[in-house]
Amino acid sequence: ETGVTQSPTHLIKTRGQQVTLRCSSQSGHNTVSWYQQALGQGPQFIFQYYREEENGRGNFPPRFSGLQFPNYSSELNVNALELDDSALYLCASSRGIAGAQDEQFFGPGTRLTVL
Amino acid sequence: GDSVTQMEGPVTLSEEAFLTINCTYTATGYPSLFWYVQYPGEGLQLLLKATKADDKGSNKGFEATYRKETTSFHLEKGSVQVSDSAVYFCALSPSSASKIIFGSGTRLSIRP
Repeated sequence: ETGVTQSPTHLIKTRGQQVTLRCSSQSGHNTVSWYQQALGQGPQFIFQYYREEENGRGNFPPRFSGLQFPNYSSELNVNALELDDSALYLCASSRGIAGAQDEQFFGPGTRLTVL
Repeated sequence: GDSVTQMEGPVTLSEEAFLTINCTYTATGYPSLFWYVQYPGEGLQLLLKATKADDKGSNKGFEATYRKETTSFHLEKGSVQVSDSAVYFCALSPSSASKIIFGSGTRLSIRP
């Protein structure tokens, strides 16, 4: 069984640019959640997608947007990058949205650096 | 809003020492509680969970009990090993949502 994979592993961008991060869910999972983990901090919930629809959003501005595809893979897009967007971006997949009953499995993350 | 506060690190212990990492939470309703672990160079992994008051989660010798009266979920292990060196995150999932709210993490280092 393949776990959650993310690409790219590392990325360097400059302020004002746009970036797309990708995530492949674990087999059999229809839900993807995205988190931002700043250095030395815990992950912060960005949003969740369930069967291609957004199912909850954290306190992030609209320039953070996402997409989930029919195969349940997902993209996170960030427009107008700011220095504070530098972080590890984590993707997690789960079988559903039943809270603690559906364990979220995390990918290794994409390290984004904004210069 | 809902939040998690955990013991600041880093915590350094000798092998076979007793470990406690404190965690308290603020939440409405009945959240589920978790401990996640992030080993060097690896992704976040669920260590243990508890879904209702007085439940005890356990895994790999680690334990934590859901205490609603003190809004706490402290992580304990009787005898730590060098391989337990990692960053530990306390977290909760609100009763009405499937997002996870994490604490800031506690870095644990175990000396041989």
